[in-house]
Amino acid sequence: DTAVSQTPKYLVTQMGNDKSIKCEQNLGHDTMYWYKQDSKKFLKIMFSYNNKELIINETVPNRFSPKSPDKAHLNLHINSLELGDSAVYFCASSQRGGNGYTFGSGTRLTVV
Amino acid sequence: EDQVTQSPEALRLQEGESSSLNCSYTVSGLRGLFWYRQDPGKGPEFLFTLYSAGEEKEKERLKATLTKKESFLHITAPKPEDSATYLCAVRNYGQNFVFGPGTRLSVLP
Repeated sequence: DTAVSQTPKYLVTQMGNDKSIKCEQNLGHDTMYWYKQDSKKFLKIMFSYNNKELIINETVPNRFSPKSPDKAHLNLHINSLELGDSAVYFCASSQRGGNGYTFGSGTRLTVV
Repeated sequence: EDQVTQSPEALRLQEGESSSLNCSYTVSGLRGLFWYRQDPGKGPEFLFTLYSAGEEKEKERLKATLTKKESFLHITAPKPEDSATYLCAVRNYGQNFVFGPGTRLSVLP
C-alpha cells in the first residue's frame, strides 16, 4: 500500500522539452507539496496545495506549474526544461497542523 | 529568515560507537522540529516531532532532544542499518517547513 506515489522514478529529457511528473496520495491528507532536492541534498519547497488552493510558491520560475485535479493528486508540469532543472523532485503530503510529511520516493530528472 | 543548519556534514562510526547529531535553528515562531531519515534513492521518512524545549522522544537506538536553539539526535550503539542521511526541519508560525542540509551517517561493521 503505497502512501504517496510519484511517477516516473527517472526522467531523462533534452533541454527545451516540456515534461510532467505525477503524484498521488491515498492518506486522505488535505495538503500536498512539491520539493526539489539539489546536488547538495538541500530540500527546498516549490509548491503546496491545500483544497485546490495554492498556498506557497517559493520564487519558483513560472516554467513550473502545479496542477491539482483533486486533493489526492498534485502533478508538476515543467515547460522549456533547462540544464539547471536537473535534480530529484519529491512529492509529499500532510494533514495541516499534523505530524510532519509523508514523502514519495522521488523523481530523478536529468536534463541533457 | 528561518534557517536550519546541521553538523557534522558527515559522520563515520564503528558499530556500537554512540554519538550525536546536531541541528541548530532560527525560526519565527516554532511550530515543531522534525527529524527525518533518508536512505539513498528514497524519500525522507518521518522519525520524530518535538514541540517544546526539554521535550525528548525515543525510537529504538535513536533519541531526539530539543532546546530553544537546537536539537540533538543521539544514536546509541548504532548498527550498520542505521546508515542514512538524517534531516532536521522546522515548521514556522506560517506552517511552512524549512529543512537543513542533513548529516550523512555511515556505521561500519
